[in-house]
Order: sequence, then C-alpha cells, then structure tokens
Amino acid sequence: DAMVIQNPRYQVTQFGKPVTLSCSQTLNHNVMYWYQQKSSQAPKLLFHYYDKDFNNEADTPDNFQSRRPNTSFCFLDIRSPGLGDTAMYLCATSRAGERFFGQGTRLTVV
Amino acid sequence: AQKVTQAQTEISVVEKEDVTLDCVYETRDTTYYLFWYKQPPSGELVFLIRRNSFDEQNEISGRYSWNFQKSTSSFNFTITASQVVDSAVYFCALSDEDYGGSQGNLIFGKGTKLSVKP
Repeated sequence: DAMVIQNPRYQVTQFGKPVTLSCSQTLNHNVMYWYQQKSSQAPKLLFHYYDKDFNNEADTPDNFQSRRPNTSFCFLDIRSPGLGDTAMYLCATSRAGERFFGQGTRLTVV
Repeated sequence: AQKVTQAQTEISVVEKEDVTLDCVYETRDTTYYLFWYKQPPSGELVFLIRRNSFDEQNEISGRYSWNFQKSTSSFNFTITASQVVDSAVYFCALSDEDYGGSQGNLIFGKGTKLSVKP
C-alpha cells in the first residue's frame, strides 16, 4: 500500500509554463519534504514543512514555491520552469527519524 | 559541516558475488542518524536501514549487512550473493535531529551505481 503518493509520475511542461506537482500521505506525519534530483546526482532538499511551518533552503530558487493546505497534502509549484528544472522531484515524510519517500515525479521542461 | 562521501561511483559484479559499498561521513554532532537507500531505475527511494550514532552493532537482514564503525566514521553496506535485482543506485545519507527527530535534513552521498550481471 502506497503511503506517500506523488502525482503525476511523469510531467512534461513547456518552458515558462507554470506547473504544480502534488504529494499526499496516509501516514499522518507532521513533516513533509520536497527534494530535487537531477540526473546522476543525489537528491537535494528544496524545502520542508514542520506542520504548517515552512522552511526554505537558502539556495532554493525563488521560482519554486510550496503549499501545504493540510497534513495530508503538499504541493510544489514551479512558477516559470526553465530547462534546468528538468529533474525528478521527490516528496518525503518523516516522524521520529523515519523517512519515507514517494515514487517521484519526473518533470521534463521542453 | 556535515558531509557524506561514497567514493565508489560505479561497481559492476557478476551474480552471486559479494559486494561492499563504502560510506564515510563527517559530522560534529554527537547524535546523528545514518541511512541507506536503494533507488532502482523506477526512481523511488527505498529505505533499507536507519542506524543511530549510539548503536554500533552490526546488522544483518537477509543478504544485506551493515558495518558501522564510529572510529573510522564509516557505515559500509555489504550484499552477499548478489542478484540481478540488486542492480540500482545506492545512497548513504546522514541526518541530524531536531524537535524530536523529525526535522533534520538528510545529507546524501553522491550514490554508488551497482550493476549485477547474470
């Protein structure tokens, strides 16, 4: 049973066209994370929520925003995607040190 | 600063061989957690193990075993009798802990790509 669900699995968007990626969890975890993973690289943290408290990493571009309307859902908004934003985007949840990842969304910007 | 080094970029073995993936970490924290994740071609990060800094016991789970040595800041992962399904990228990661263990960032190594050939 999937516990962290990301939609869609694959997304193609045009350069500059806003795109939203979604993540939902059935674990009731209070912390949710968004990571960006470019080809052949390690995942890189973009931001995380501790309940409704939003924490942005210092080097996360302003182009990336996030929303968490409730415990179960978290969204990643890319306002004006560039070609360099082509990557796998991974959502994760955490409680008491355990961390669970979704299957990721492969975003391609064309 | 925290850092995780996986010196092996790619490893190729033949099925049934044993293989060890190396992980060396740096941290000034006295309390920290170490992880191993498997990432198959489908992309999902699959949790394999979490070990806290106070527990140096080695662990075995089926064909997988982990050797944690604080003296050398290493947390190595061995697959015994490797299988083709073990082919994946393996990431070692380090986390500090804040607010009861949930808020720490996960610092990943660059990963080791393991190819197991039949």
